[in-house]
Amino acid sequence: EADIYQTPRYLVIGTGKKITLECSQTMGHDKMYWYQQDPGMELHLIHYSYGVNSTEKGDLSSESTVSRIRTEHFPLTLESARPSHTSQYLCASSEGQGVIQYFGAGTRLSVL
Amino acid sequence: GNSVTQMEGPVTLSEEAFLTINCTYTATGYPSLFWYVQYPGEGLQLLLKATKADDKGSNKGFEATYRKETTSFHLEKGSVQVSDSAVYFCALKDGGTSYGKLTFGQGTILTVHP
Repeated sequence: EADIYQTPRYLVIGTGKKITLECSQTMGHDKMYWYQQDPGMELHLIHYSYGVNSTEKGDLSSESTVSRIRTEHFPLTLESARPSHTSQYLCASSEGQGVIQYFGAGTRLSVL
Repeated sequence: GNSVTQMEGPVTLSEEAFLTINCTYTATGYPSLFWYVQYPGEGLQLLLKATKADDKGSNKGFEATYRKETTSFHLEKGSVQVSDSAVYFCALKDGGTSYGKLTFGQGTILTVHP
């Protein structure tokens, strides 16, 4: 069973608010990822990290930012949330060559 | 670039019916192929994988064979259960990618009725 945790599970906020979605893993994995999942279920990679102090943008442009100060922690921040940010956000991690990714349960964000 | 195409859903079946979800891919080199499953309200979890041509991945009664000649990795199960209702994602990892990036298909929603 994967040990990767996301909080909060659900979040409803107003436009213009700053939010941080938390993601933590206890497996010591060096690689971590953030995906955005739209209502049609398709997954889009928005950020990834090779390890501490490494962050890269993914395939889908996102106004969010990430940081990787500790191996186990990979938070995602939106400085000013907008309704277009409404989506489900999934965090994942992998080790070594990253053949298998382990996913958290996701955060469902609604911006009003 | 890499891409994965899954059959369009949603798919609705009766319990004990045969399941096939088609998946084809485009990639350079020799990718690894995966099926992930997402149950309602949860994240994705690995269902099965195959890392080279002609490999067969299997788990929980599901099977998929890596067919390089047809660039396919179709998911099959002989007798589905209500508990198999979920979203299924086909994915590939480029053999030349060191950071583990996966390319996902668009997902297929499966609903199994009693």
